[in-house]
Amino acid sequence: AQSVSQHNHHVILSEAASLELGCNYSYGGTVNLFWYVQYPGQHLQLLLKYFSGDPLVKGIKGFEAEFIKSKFSFNLRKPSVQWSDTAEYFCAVLPPFGNEKLTFGTGTRLTIIP
Amino acid sequence: DTAVSQTPKYLVTQMGNDKSIKCEQNLGHDTMYWYKQDSKKFLKIMFSYNNKELIINETVPNRFSPKSPDKAHLNLHINSLELGDSAVYFCASSQRTSGGQETQYFGPGTRLLVL
Repeated sequence: AQSVSQHNHHVILSEAASLELGCNYSYGGTVNLFWYVQYPGQHLQLLLKYFSGDPLVKGIKGFEAEFIKSKFSFNLRKPSVQWSDTAEYFCAVLPPFGNEKLTFGTGTRLTIIP
Repeated sequence: DTAVSQTPKYLVTQMGNDKSIKCEQNLGHDTMYWYKQDSKKFLKIMFSYNNKELIINETVPNRFSPKSPDKAHLNLHINSLELGDSAVYFCASSQRTSGGQETQYFGPGTRLLVL
């Protein structure tokens, strides 16, 4: 079964700082990869996803992520964060075939200080 | 238009009661899910239905019973509620392509508090 690790549990940054949130997964085959964001008191929204092709994917709100197959990583980045980026960020993986389940990491809480 | 909707948004009830949460999606997807998010924000799948057929049933107490009357609806009934059932329950839906690509879209969540 697949698993996902998000090493940063809580990240605190000042506005305009650059962001990188780590995500590593374990699975032997092809996977679909996702980053979801959960703003305080709200539901999960899809930030970006990777299925195949260019390993650098761009999402909404200026976020991007890079899939590095050799490192089993899918780190999330943003060059300049804003106060409104304060939220919980979840990395998730889903093997593309069979009755597999979407497996989430434990989440990273991001706090942006104005 | 809300793609995945859930009712109610908040549910406060006493231990031992029975309650239901409803979910509807208007995306035309053929697969729907229930997830539980605990107080530490950890998300775990509970059930998955594909075209009204149960395909994923994680280790969940049998007090929890999902029902899918059609592929656009997935309800969750919980019997004999316990304190530990307090959580946020999210519904989601997806449609897998022939190439195995699939994105799950989540509902707004139902915040359940058992007193």
